[in-house]
Amino acid sequence: GEDVEQSLFLSVREGDSSVINCTYTDSSSTYLYWYKQEPGAGLQLLTYIFSNMDMKQDQRLTVLLNKKDKHLSLRIADTQTGDSAIYFCAEWVDDYKLSFGAGTTVTVRA
Amino acid sequence: DAGVIQSPRHEVTEMGQEVTLRCKPISGHDYLFWYRQTMMRGLELLIYFNNNVPIDDSGMPEDRFSAKMPNASFSTLKIQPSEPRDSAVYFCASIAGTGYGYTFGSGTRLTVV
Repeated sequence: GEDVEQSLFLSVREGDSSVINCTYTDSSSTYLYWYKQEPGAGLQLLTYIFSNMDMKQDQRLTVLLNKKDKHLSLRIADTQTGDSAIYFCAEWVDDYKLSFGAGTTVTVRA
Repeated sequence: DAGVIQSPRHEVTEMGQEVTLRCKPISGHDYLFWYRQTMMRGLELLIYFNNNVPIDDSGMPEDRFSAKMPNASFSTLKIQPSEPRDSAVYFCASIAGTGYGYTFGSGTRLTVV
């Protein structure tokens, strides 16, 4: 995913909020996604946001989109040990293809 | 819905052997994708199909790799002959339409020794 950039690691204390950041390059992307990958498992779609939205909230998850800066973030409120995983940002590029970032490994410490 | 089903979950083979990975997409999903995941290269799109027809195979690394989709409910990714550098997790994913996002299978962890 050379067009999508994410920081590689994030360590957060249980109960705190986690914020995972992502930058993308294709200003015409209509959809942006967050996926979660737990050890030994496939990628699970967490949430997505349409490009005409600034924010989307789904229970403990909040997605913020800044189209001007091509910046996407995922906030996880009240982070739990079960939130430890790799989180991938992805943008819809063309013809049903997604471009994925390298993934952010989130470690939740007690 | 059982989701995207891949088999086998794990495969260990010797260098030079043929390996076949299998995928059953979600019924009604018209697009099927094969990805490879490694620590060094992350997620790489190998090939994808629309209505069983290969659309883009530019990510297939070499002629040793081939993929088929004989019908809407089955696809294979074959590596012949396999090499140690092919060791990775191979994912299959399918999609219903624009904007829905991919549904991934659980992956096949391939180890070539």
